[in-house]
Amino acid sequence: KNEVEQSPQNLTAQEGEFITINCSYSVGISALHWLQQHPGGGVVSLFMLSSGKKKHGRLIATINIQEKHSSLHITASHPRDSAVYICAADYGGSQGNLIFGKGTKLSVKP
Amino acid sequence: DGGITQSPKYLFRKEGQNVTLSCEQNLNHDAMYWYRQDPGQGLRLIYYSQIVNDFQKGDIAEGYSVSREKKESFPLTVTSAQKNPTAFYLCASSIPAGGLTDTQYFGPGTRLTVL
Repeated sequence: KNEVEQSPQNLTAQEGEFITINCSYSVGISALHWLQQHPGGGVVSLFMLSSGKKKHGRLIATINIQEKHSSLHITASHPRDSAVYICAADYGGSQGNLIFGKGTKLSVKP
Repeated sequence: DGGITQSPKYLFRKEGQNVTLSCEQNLNHDAMYWYRQDPGQGLRLIYYSQIVNDFQKGDIAEGYSVSREKKESFPLTVTSAQKNPTAFYLCASSIPAGGLTDTQYFGPGTRLTVL
């Protein structure tokens, strides 16, 4: 069964801390997505990656294909980073076949 | 500005009534998706459409119906057959790239509560 596991489920950090959120998947994928869901419910796509590393501002996403693992890092965290971060794996096949993790709820305290 | 709109943001209905959730995009994307989110669970795919006048069932299509008469619009109807319709519903769109995955752009969501 294709699954996506995220850890931790909840994360509280102090402003300025370096944050790491982990995502593991069960079998080979064609791509992995990181999404950010704000408290109001809106979802924004942060990264889509199939190998290596991507960086956007203070956000860095990495993926290790051999270990079937991806991480999302936030440097110099800020209270506005507080959100739920979701990873989703594309196991290929027809469009729309994304399997979503349950999300990591991040709270950054000032 | 290009984007995806969903309306309304909050929707309340009595049990046994059908309700239609709106999703419109002006990104010129071919593919559109509907997801359901429940507390403590990942997003689950209800229906998706790769092109106008065509759509496919996702993992939890029972009790839902969709139409795709226009490229810009992908309305979702929650029917009275859906046993537990109270949830947060997200619409998304993407440019499918010959079978390869592509970034999905999400709407703001509609929170449906059935009383």
